Amino acid sequence: SYELTQPPSVSVSPGQTARITCSGDALPKIYVYWYRQRSGQAPVLVIYEDTKRPSGIPERFSGSSSGTMATLTISGAQVEDEADYYCFSTDNTGNQRRVFGGGTKLTVL
Amino acid sequence: QLQLQESGPGLVRPSETLSLICTVSGGSIRNSDYYWGWIRQPPGKGLEWIGSLHYSGNTFYNPSLKSRVTILVDTSKNLFSLRLDSVTAADTGVYFCARELRGSGSYYYYMDVWGKGTTVTVSS
Repeated sequence: SYELTQPPSVSVSPGQTARITCSGDALPKIYVYWYRQRSGQAPVLVIYEDTKRPSGIPERFSGSSSGTMATLTISGAQVEDEADYYCFSTDNTGNQRRVFGGGTKLTVL
Repeated sequence: QLQLQESGPGLVRPSETLSLICTVSGGSIRNSDYYWGWIRQPPGKGLEWIGSLHYSGNTFYNPSLKSRVTILVDTSKNLFSLRLDSVTAADTGVYFCARELRGSGSYYYYMDVWGKGTTVTVSS
């Protein structure tokens, strides 16, 4: 079955650049999306269609995708960026199965 | 502004049926551009897609749950529902509903608006 693989954790100091990766066989052919989930809250979309940023999301959030790897980059991470981050995509074999990565805990301290 | 609100029992007995409702406000569920989905999150774990529905009745389910899941729409009340049969403790978690939007030039959908979630505990 289709899977998206993320590192369990990433840690940076405030002001540093955080990079969270997501790998999946279908990513060369299909968009990846990124969600931020703060503790006790619902997920929030921070990147859509590989590289686009929704309104209200700070410019320090950016996305890229190359081959089977997508990357969420937070340039100049701030303490309030500490959260779980999930990549998301869809199995492109025709069954429309939505798939989340396992999630990455970002620590900023 | 579109809002989604989950509701339903917070406690379900093992082997019984979990039933939740997602009420949509600030927009119509009868919009051909969207699917409407359910996602869950066990305590301390990641997000798991349960299934998605179009107001026309077209549905897609996670293969791992398909035998136990039914998602229905009630367009007159602007809501959609989740039914999960024969629950066990492994079904405990937070359940979210969400609106799904199709990616540009794509056949595939993603969640752009989420409800706040509701906690369901399966226990006797």
